Amino acid sequence: GAGVSQTPSNKVTEKGKYVELRCDPISGHTALYWYRQSLGQGPEFLIYFQGTGAADDSGLPNDRFFAVRPEGSVSTLKIQRTERGDSAVYLCASSLTGTGSDYGYTFGSGTRLTVV
Amino acid sequence: QQPVQSPQAVILREGEDAVINCSSSKALYSVHWYRQKHGEAPVFLMILLKGGEQKGHDKISASFNEKKQQSSLYLTASQLSYSGTYFCGTGTGANNLFFGTGTRLTVIP
Repeated sequence: GAGVSQTPSNKVTEKGKYVELRCDPISGHTALYWYRQSLGQGPEFLIYFQGTGAADDSGLPNDRFFAVRPEGSVSTLKIQRTERGDSAVYLCASSLTGTGSDYGYTFGSGTRLTVV
Repeated sequence: QQPVQSPQAVILREGEDAVINCSSSKALYSVHWYRQKHGEAPVFLMILLKGGEQKGHDKISASFNEKKQQSSLYLTASQLSYSGTYFCGTGTGANNLFFGTGTRLTVIP
């Protein structure tokens, strides 16, 4: 596609529920990143994929968070047993292949997750 | 690993210049600069790779001092459209970026 697409744009869920956030990167971009951003803060790194594999998942806060990219394009971020502290805007970005920081990132518009 | 940005906020009148600084405690491979407007996604401005280079387009330029692990973003003759929050993202090599807490820039007529 022309840009990075994220769905849904907004998600309200009850504490304890499971959610899935989807990211469709720019066609041909092999690198995909998940970040989350709280109000007034910079994006916080979660996980980085090169192709189908997670090259770096050191930013995932705990084992309730998991992400997949089975065919090297679309990625899904999965959050189990959601907590109010998970509320944030979840941003996905993609870039051309590289070591992870030598090409500019194109961000999606994000999914605003609210846990009530 | 989060870089430190300064200032946290700045207000300019149209036509004035500004400098935003970004420093890291780690050796850097690259520095990215992004601008984010309220409620929107960050937009890529430019990237600087190690080598102490300087880049620019239009009236926005940046420098990268590899030895000092610092980068600066220069905005000259600011326009209303420059308003937003500027983030630097620092990369240390074979990994992702870590973003600073941002500098909120407001340009007023």
